[in-house]
Amino acid sequence: EVQLVQSGAEVKKPGESLKISCKGSGYSSGYSFTNYWIGWVRQMPGKGLEWMGIIYPGDSDTRYSPSFQGQVTISADKSISTAYLQWSSLEASDTGIYYCVRAFYYAPGSYFDSWGQGTLVTVSS
Amino acid sequence: DIQMTQSPSTLSASVGDRVTITCRASQSISSWLAWYQQKPGKAPKLLIYKASSLESGVPSRFSGSGSGTEFTLTISSLQPDDFATYYCQQFSGYSTFGGGTKVEIK
Repeated sequence: EVQLVQSGAEVKKPGESLKISCKGSGYSSGYSFTNYWIGWVRQMPGKGLEWMGIIYPGDSDTRYSPSFQGQVTISADKSISTAYLQWSSLEASDTGIYYCVRAFYYAPGSYFDSWGQGTLVTVSS
Repeated sequence: DIQMTQSPSTLSASVGDRVTITCRASQSISSWLAWYQQKPGKAPKLLIYKASSLESGVPSRFSGSGSGTEFTLTISSLQPDDFATYYCQQFSGYSTFGGGTKVEIK
């Protein structure tokens, strides 16, 4: 069974930087973290779901939603089976829960069969 | 962006009821549609992909149908564990989600 374990909740001030992580494990024999796309999905407080982007850890090929292009950076370190989502300058509107997901990519879209537990990011002065 | 519209936004039902949720796309997405279930405080869970394929481990009372612009998720006999919010998602273009349908106890 695939497990995606995310880093813990964060409380930040506007203008601060942040990097959250997602570690994959439990992949069945013959498959590995590098063989699947990993994505990020945002859920703002009391709201619906928004796809942010995906990365292929094998070669770091990255695709962004137009809504999030330039706002965040997605990266991965395949040597430790970990993907990252980072901001250089947070805004209050970045407050929300961020889920990492395993993605099946059908260019340009993808669907998500495994989800991390979510990381709550709170940005407040 | 392809817009996804779910209806109803809230649905009141009883255990044992047959429940149908509708999702409409702003343009044709063929069968590139998934359905998810989310319970309060939990991550979403994949139920259906490619419009009608049941994800492994998901009870057979869940089914999906449709193609093009109109899709449905049906729960044949609602169980206590099924009270949750359901989202459709298209992956024909950049992935977008519907606004959700909350299934609550009548």
